[in-house]
Amino acid sequence: QSALTQPASVSGSPGQSITISCTGTSSDVGSYNFVSWYQQHPGKAPKLMIYEGNKRPSGVSNRFSGSKSGNTASLTVSGLQAEDEADYYCCSYASSSPLVFGGGTKLTVL
Amino acid sequence: QVQLQESGPGLVKPSQTLSLTCTVSGGSISSGGYYWSWIRQHPGKGLEWIGYISYSGSSNYNPSLKSRVTISVDTSKNQFSLKMSSVTAADRAVYYCARDGGGRLRWYAFDIWGQGTMVTVSS
Repeated sequence: QSALTQPASVSGSPGQSITISCTGTSSDVGSYNFVSWYQQHPGKAPKLMIYEGNKRPSGVSNRFSGSKSGNTASLTVSGLQAEDEADYYCCSYASSSPLVFGGGTKLTVL
Repeated sequence: QVQLQESGPGLVKPSQTLSLTCTVSGGSISSGGYYWSWIRQHPGKGLEWIGYISYSGSSNYNPSLKSRVTISVDTSKNQFSLKMSSVTAADRAVYYCARDGGGRLRWYAFDIWGQGTMVTVSS
């Protein structure tokens, strides 16, 4: 059982926006601004998309954005494109671990 | 441009010790104050953080693996390594090495990853 809870799957049509949630507790997501998001295509290493909750590394499209409310962090992908189809993982600093991942969400572009 | 490359045996016998090395190229492991992590992914499953080490040798581990894991750094070879003892079939996974971005400011996020190496545990 993962420390952070993500939906198993989300889907959207090209051009639409989707949001993936990542629910933790007051010991991780709720207390720290160290939430990151990763995109992973099959057979590939994960790629950092968002760090510190809402910051994009150089080279990541501004169609990807992050936010947080309480114990839940979110990744929004706007203007969906076929190449966005992948698995997405959240990760948070945690007082107990200190790094925990979510179980992952499969994004399908219809 | 910094790159990471994992190396080590792809097959380990049950109860033995898994040993992997991550070689850092395109930059010095000692510069920038970065932290270096090992992360694994069981087949078809999610990511699991194993532990990290700093350029100076300070380390921290996932509590669920702490009793079996040691991460070390060799600055002269620009490498850091993972040792996991008493492996079982449950340790079969792809093992990634990764850099914690932000240097001394710590992003607690992994901006550079190796390609990953599959480790199977079998006699």
